[in-house]
Amino acid sequence: GDSVTQMEGPVTLSEEAFLTINCTYTATGYPSLFWYVQYPGEGLQLLLKATKADDKGSNKGFEATYRKETTSFHLEKGSVQVSDSAVYFCALSDGRYSTLTFGKGTMLLVSP
Amino acid sequence: DSGVTQTPKHLITATGQRVTLRCSPRSGDLSVYWYQQSLDQGLQFLIQYYNGEERAKGNILERFSAQQFPDLHSELNLSSLELGDSALYFCASSVADGSNSPLHFGNGTRLTVT
Repeated sequence: GDSVTQMEGPVTLSEEAFLTINCTYTATGYPSLFWYVQYPGEGLQLLLKATKADDKGSNKGFEATYRKETTSFHLEKGSVQVSDSAVYFCALSDGRYSTLTFGKGTMLLVSP
Repeated sequence: DSGVTQTPKHLITATGQRVTLRCSPRSGDLSVYWYQQSLDQGLQFLIQYYNGEERAKGNILERFSAQQFPDLHSELNLSSLELGDSALYFCASSVADGSNSPLHFGNGTRLTVT
């Protein structure tokens, strides 16, 4: 079945540092790929998405490129802020419906 | 605010009991999804409804059931509760049921089984 593997956290960074959170996936067919973010006490929010190979999703300074050859969708941000502290989930959709398969999440902690 | 409303926010109950979790989707959204989030299993898809009909089923136990009503709100029923059912249960909604339709999540119901 489909699966998503994310790097384990927590990832601890200082403000203005560069962020990478690795995500790889296993799927049949051509899934859509997503990054969701969960702030404490809240539900998940869509951060960005990519629907086909070589697409780049971007939002709020975050970026991720759909790499079919390496089955990866790594999340990057050039300069993190304290307000970016949250749990980040990589996910894929199998294309039939919008049901999402999630990775286990990576907690990001940014200190001033 | 995602526009998805879940009630109650917290629920504490005993083993063997039955509870009902409620979800109101965003205005205009026809699809409702239920997910279970636990520390060991992560986020697990349970079930999806589209305009009142069951559309997809994930890792939902036989003790659990759900439905979507004509006004599009949904309920997740959990019965014969076990300690291991303690988790955060999320509802999400989307406009349609295609893979490009983003999901909007509620803030979840935290269930504690004692």
